[in-house]
Amino acid sequence: QSVLTQPPSVSAAPGQKVTISCSGGRSNIGNYYVSWYQQLPGTAPKVLIYDNDKRPSGIPDRFSASKSGTSATLGITGLQTGDEADYYCGTWDSSLSAGVFGGGTKLTVL
Amino acid sequence: QLQLQESGPGLVKPSETLTLTCTVSAGSVSSSSYYWAWIRQPPGKGLEWIGSIYYSGTTYYTPSLKSRVTISVDMSKNQFSLNLSSVTAADTAVYFCARQDQLLWRYYIDYWGQGTLVTVSS
Repeated sequence: QSVLTQPPSVSAAPGQKVTISCSGGRSNIGNYYVSWYQQLPGTAPKVLIYDNDKRPSGIPDRFSASKSGTSATLGITGLQTGDEADYYCGTWDSSLSAGVFGGGTKLTVL
Repeated sequence: QLQLQESGPGLVKPSETLTLTCTVSAGSVSSSSYYWAWIRQPPGKGLEWIGSIYYSGTTYYTPSLKSRVTISVDMSKNQFSLNLSSVTAADTAVYFCARQDQLLWRYYIDYWGQGTLVTVSS
């Protein structure tokens, strides 16, 4: 059971928009920045978003994110088949003194 | 560009100790700006943060593994290592080493190794 809660799967058609939610509590999302990771099949995860809403260089602006209270949301617009991957949210948890991840969300681009 | 490479046995017997090493290139484990972390992913499952170490030796471990985990750093070799004792089949996973950017409210993993599969089996 993950500390952060994500939907197991989401799907949408090419060109459409999708959002992925990440829910936590005061000891994690409520007090720390959230990051988002994309894991393509058979590869290591890659950071898409850090500090709640910042994109590393090279990440297209089709990827965006926000945080409100103890929840965060990743948005992907202009969906492409290459976006099919697992997406994870992550943050620090002060109660655990540990990093925590969501359970992951599998994105299917129909 | 920073690179991290995991190394170690791909097969470990139950009850033994799993030992992995991460070699860092184009970066330094003695940097005061980052932590160095281990993360694992059982086959077909999600990511699990195992623990991290700072150049000073400060460590953090996830509570569920704390009694069995030790992370250490070797600045002379620019490496950091993971020891996980008394392994069972449940410890079978791809193990990633990573660089962790952590300061005040900021926490994220900015670089990952490619990962190495460790299977626990007799």
